Amino acid sequence: QKEVEQDPGPLSVPEGAIVSLNCTYSNSAFQYFMWYRQYSRKGPELLMYTYSSGNKEDGRFTAQVDKSSKYISLFIRDSQPSDSATYLCAIMRNQAGTALIFGKGTTLSVSS
Amino acid sequence: NAGVTQTPKFQVLKTGQSMTLQCAQDMNHNSMYWYRQDPGMGLRLIYYSASEGTTDKGEVPNGYNVSRLNKREFSLRLESAAPSQTSVYFCASSVRLASPEQFFGPGTRLTVL
Repeated sequence: QKEVEQDPGPLSVPEGAIVSLNCTYSNSAFQYFMWYRQYSRKGPELLMYTYSSGNKEDGRFTAQVDKSSKYISLFIRDSQPSDSATYLCAIMRNQAGTALIFGKGTTLSVSS
Repeated sequence: NAGVTQTPKFQVLKTGQSMTLQCAQDMNHNSMYWYRQDPGMGLRLIYYSASEGTTDKGEVPNGYNVSRLNKREFSLRLESAAPSQTSVYFCASSVRLASPEQFFGPGTRLTVL
């Protein structure tokens, strides 16, 4: 079993929809949970991250971690065409000497 | 600040040729990384350098070598390119290894014929 699993989609929604993107992970030792956004033909950039469990909100974006289910989510409210991109989840242990582990990414398309 | 820069942006090689991908960052970061990104496979770590003077293998190191030239620069070398190395290569950097935020370069699109 891979350490992090992510449905690649693609996911297509109309403008204004609420989008839910999800990942599952296998090891309860992971404590940092990140969401990166990657526009076509660009490098990924960090959108937001959470440490341990709970929710974190930043404008239209909410990151949620459920450690009991080993499930992480990114919600996008009032989605816009500019949100069309690939979203990658990433995980990391809270431990010196560790690197990020990325999911395969979910491609989102928001139509106007 | 340019952030993370990569050269070249595009490259076409023939099987067996060698080349070096260059990466530089101007953010005074300690850690640097090389990833490859393939359709359906996501980002996979090739090599990383936790700090100047150290390098370690990632998930897919075979066929590659790296050099941490100084704190700013981290190069990736393909000694004898194979078609399986056709990919998009990203360099990234972070303040330290155990940092949730990595800053990525624009990528190098490599095709091996």
